Amino acid sequence: EADIYQTPRYLVIGTGKKITLECSQTMGHDKMYWYQQDPGMELHLIHYSYGVNSTEKGDLSSESTVSRIRTEHFPLTLESARPSHTSQYLCASSDDRGLNYGYTFGSGTRLTVV
Amino acid sequence: AQKITQTQPGMFVQEKEAVTLDCTYDTSDPSYGLFWYKQPSSGEMIFLIYQGSYDQQNATEGRYSLNFQKARKSANLVISASQLGDSAMYFCAMREGGTGGFKTIFGAGTRLFVKA
Repeated sequence: EADIYQTPRYLVIGTGKKITLECSQTMGHDKMYWYQQDPGMELHLIHYSYGVNSTEKGDLSSESTVSRIRTEHFPLTLESARPSHTSQYLCASSDDRGLNYGYTFGSGTRLTVV
Repeated sequence: AQKITQTQPGMFVQEKEAVTLDCTYDTSDPSYGLFWYKQPSSGEMIFLIYQGSYDQQNATEGRYSLNFQKARKSANLVISASQLGDSAMYFCAMREGGTGGFKTIFGAGTRLFVKA
């Protein structure tokens, strides 16, 4: 049973539409992350949060925005989707116990913008 | 700047044999963690194993072991007794303990094919 949930699993949407990718976790983790991954390629950090009302941009520039109003919820929004946004988006979380714990990832959202 | 390099885009291994997936890293932070993740075709990322920079012994988790050579800055994953279900993408990752905070960077990945 997953402890971190992403919806939708797949999304095909037209250019110019506003979309929100949902991510929720039930583990009480303070730290949450969004990664972007093209098929078969490496993951790139686009946003992260160290807690409620804390959000930072990651290493890869992204036109998306995020919010963290509740500990368990970390949605990602694209105001105007473009074909270049077609990718897989992975949400992850981690706790405060230190370096030696891996992330827990959601199942990902595969976004296609046509 | 921190960096992860995986030089093997694809690897083949016969079922029941062992395979080593290579990973080298670069960091100036003396405190860091190294991770391996598995990504099946379904897309989710599964945490496999962790090695800390101050750990004296190589990490092991079931059939997975991490060959940590600090002076060479390498952290190779060894999978023993390969199974068909091991076919997947494998990502090496690193997290720095200092200014890097809890952000993790990933390598480009190695696709492993296990042959029956």
